[in-house]
Parts: sequence; C-alpha cells; structure tokens
Amino acid sequence: DAGVTQSPTHLIKTRGQQVTLRCSPKSGHDTVSWYQQALGQGPQFIFQYYEEEERQRGNFPDRFSGHQFPNYSSELNVNALLLGDSALYLCASSSSDRENSPLHFGNGTRLTVT
Amino acid sequence: DAKTTQPPSMDCAEGRAANLPCNHSTISGNEYVYWYRQIHSQGPQYIIHGLKNNETNEMASLIITEDRKSSTLILPHATLRDTAVYYCIVRPSFSQGAQKLVFGQGTRLTINP
Repeated sequence: DAGVTQSPTHLIKTRGQQVTLRCSPKSGHDTVSWYQQALGQGPQFIFQYYEEEERQRGNFPDRFSGHQFPNYSSELNVNALLLGDSALYLCASSSSDRENSPLHFGNGTRLTVT
Repeated sequence: DAKTTQPPSMDCAEGRAANLPCNHSTISGNEYVYWYRQIHSQGPQYIIHGLKNNETNEMASLIITEDRKSSTLILPHATLRDTAVYYCIVRPSFSQGAQKLVFGQGTRLTINP
C-alpha cells in the first residue's frame, strides 16, 4: 500500500522562474493539502483540495496555486519564484469519509531558488 | 486555532520511557490533540490522536488531562530511531477545515545510547 508520493524529490530553479510539484495521495484518500517548511521551522499550511476545488487557503500569495485531478492527485504551482520560496514542500492526504482522518505526509520536494 | 506549547528539547536514554509534554489550554471541546514526529529530511509521521480518553497504539500512548488543557505523549521503550522533532497539534473541527494543521516549533527529542 503506497503512501503519499511526491515528485521530484529535489529541484533547483532560478529566481523569477515557475515550478510545478506533484503529489499522489495515499490509496483510498481523496483530500490533499500542501505545506511549506522553511529550514528550522514547522510546516505551514498553503491550501487544501477536495473534489477538485480549493477548499481552504493559508496566508500565501496568489503566486501559489494548485490543482486536483479526478484521480485525486494534485499539483502545486509557484510563479515568479523568490529566493524566500526555497523550502521543503510537503503534500498530505486524508480521507473525507472519516471526520478527523489523520493526515499522512509525503517526504516532500526540496526546492532551492538561486 | 488553539495554540500549543512544548519544551524545545528533551533527552532520554535508550530503553527508557520518553514522556513529551504539551500544553493546550485554549483547546475547544470538539478539537482533537494530534501528535506527529519528523525525522530529519522526511515528512511528518502521524503517531496518535485523541479527544478526551487516553489512547494507545503500537507506537505510543497519549495521556490527556481531565480538563484537556495538557497532554503527554509516551514512547514506552525509546530507541535511537525515535530521535526526531515531535509536534503536538490541536486540530480544528471538521467544519473549519480539518486539513489545516498548525505546527509550532515542536520538541527535539534526542535518544542517547
């Protein structure tokens, strides 16, 4: 039973470029969320997707956008990259069938902006 | 969102029980307490959660005080692989968007041989 998988594992981009990160949820999960974790900090919530719609958003600018596909997988897009966007980007999934279904996290994509 | 307070670091000897405290004095009646841990360079790993009653699973035990203002995560026989940052999180009720977890700084637990 595969857990949450993310790709790529590492990525280096230049300031001003755009990036797309991908996530496949754990089998049986239909809800996906994205988190940003700066070095030495706890993860911060970016947004959540359910039924292919953004349901809740954290305090992140519009440069951060996402998408959920019919198979529940998801993408995180970041435009006009800044040096400060360098971080570990984590995807988490859960099941909407059970209230308080635990979130399961992938191992993240390490993004470096130079 | 209810805020949690944890000690920044703790040490424990291998084979002993590790007891990690967490204060969440502003927790609401329908909010759960969740514990996650994060080993270096990996994503957070779910450990356990509870509402009012004490909980136990194959990884740990969770003790919640009667007034629900604090809790303790217990790793009964700590091993070197339990060295990680442990996060105590109060999870919003489902109606508020249950996937938004608010992580603090956590407790850096070091298991010593």
